[in-house]
Amino acid sequence: EAGVAQSPRYKIIEKRQSVAFWCNPISGHATLYWYQQILGQGPKLLIQFQNNGVVDDSQLPKDRFSAERLKGVDSTLKIQPAKLEDSAVYLCASSLATGGTGELFFGEGSRLTVL
Amino acid sequence: GENVEQHPSTLSVQEGDSAVIKCTYSDSASNYFPWYKQELGKGPQLIIDIRSNVGEKKDQRIAVTLNKTAKHFSLHITETQPEDSAVYFCAARPPTGKLIFGQGTTLQVKP
Repeated sequence: EAGVAQSPRYKIIEKRQSVAFWCNPISGHATLYWYQQILGQGPKLLIQFQNNGVVDDSQLPKDRFSAERLKGVDSTLKIQPAKLEDSAVYLCASSLATGGTGELFFGEGSRLTVL
Repeated sequence: GENVEQHPSTLSVQEGDSAVIKCTYSDSASNYFPWYKQELGKGPQLIIDIRSNVGEKKDQRIAVTLNKTAKHFSLHITETQPEDSAVYFCAARPPTGKLIFGQGTTLQVKP
């Protein structure tokens, strides 16, 4: 079974530039998550989708971050404009279960460096 | 909301020794406690989990214990091997909330 796919694996940008990350979850998984993992910390949830609807985006900095999940499958996370403090690994995860239950399967992450 | 504290932040053991990582949580309604292992350059991977109706769960060399009264849960790894070296995260989730992760423990197993 293919895992969660993310791209790009690495991205370096200047502050105030924009960046987009892509995620393809495990086939059939209804729930998709984007987490931000700052170096030395645990993952922090940015946004949770169930199918193509948003379940929780309470910790998404909506002035600069946006995310969408069209057709309930792939998802993109965009940052515009980027700040230095956005440097982190952005992890996508998916889950077969709905309602926030069940095991989360993580991708390998997209490492962002903002200079 | 839920808050999870994890200790220690780093742990170094000799191969064959045991390792214990401890977490505390704040929301007494939390009922699901997974442990994830993250190797360098990889995403976290679930290694074991426990629900609040169980006090202990074991899977080969790995065990997790839960004390609901004290709001503590711990990961125990016995007979550690070099391939156990990684960052370990505990997490807690209330019934209708999101998964909250601890800060992580870097485990080094020295051959």
